[in-house]
Amino acid sequence: KNQVEQSPQSLIILEGKNCTLQCNYTVSPFSNLRWYKQDTGRGPVSLTIMTFSENTKSNGRYTATLDADTKQSSLHITASQLSDSASYICVVSAERGANNLFFGTGTRLTVIP
Amino acid sequence: GAGVSQTPSNKVTEKGKYVELRCDPISGHTALYWYRQSLGQGPEFLIYFQGTGAADDSGLPNDRFFAVRPEGSVSTLKIQRTERGDSAVYLCASSLRAGLRAGELFFGEGSRLTVL
Repeated sequence: KNQVEQSPQSLIILEGKNCTLQCNYTVSPFSNLRWYKQDTGRGPVSLTIMTFSENTKSNGRYTATLDADTKQSSLHITASQLSDSASYICVVSAERGANNLFFGTGTRLTVIP
Repeated sequence: GAGVSQTPSNKVTEKGKYVELRCDPISGHTALYWYRQSLGQGPEFLIYFQGTGAADDSGLPNDRFFAVRPEGSVSTLKIQRTERGDSAVYLCASSLRAGLRAGELFFGEGSRLTVL
């Protein structure tokens, strides 16, 4: 069964600290993995998209890693800011199927001053 | 438009009423998706359009839910005889293409439906 699991479910960190969010998946055959940021009351916004051959991809203070062998991805946030408070959703695409996008339930990050 | 537009942003209705939610995708995007998101959960797939046709409607929870995209652009999600359990945020997303070579997925801000 194609599934995407994220951990932790929620996280509180102090402003300026770093944090890492995890995504494990069983989606097969794998096509790509995306991380989205969703502010409260808003739609998800793409942070990164990674294909099988990519191990690391950065977008400003956000760095995503992918290990296609262990089917794990992480999103590392450096020098967190209050505006980083949001839900971070991992989405994995399969190579087949009309609906081939599988969503995690997200990690709720709260950055406090 | 510049992004995916959804209307209304908020809809409060009474149990048993009929509701329509509209999605205006990014111009030129052939793939359009509807998702439902409950509080604290990730988006749950409802239906996906490739052009005018519903390529996959397996996520629609029951026959009270229906969606159309008659001209391959704007889509309307229709919910009949609404129930309190239908309360959620309904997200629309569009992509230049879908399937194996799916492009970036752009989401609207969602329509928050509350059924009293």
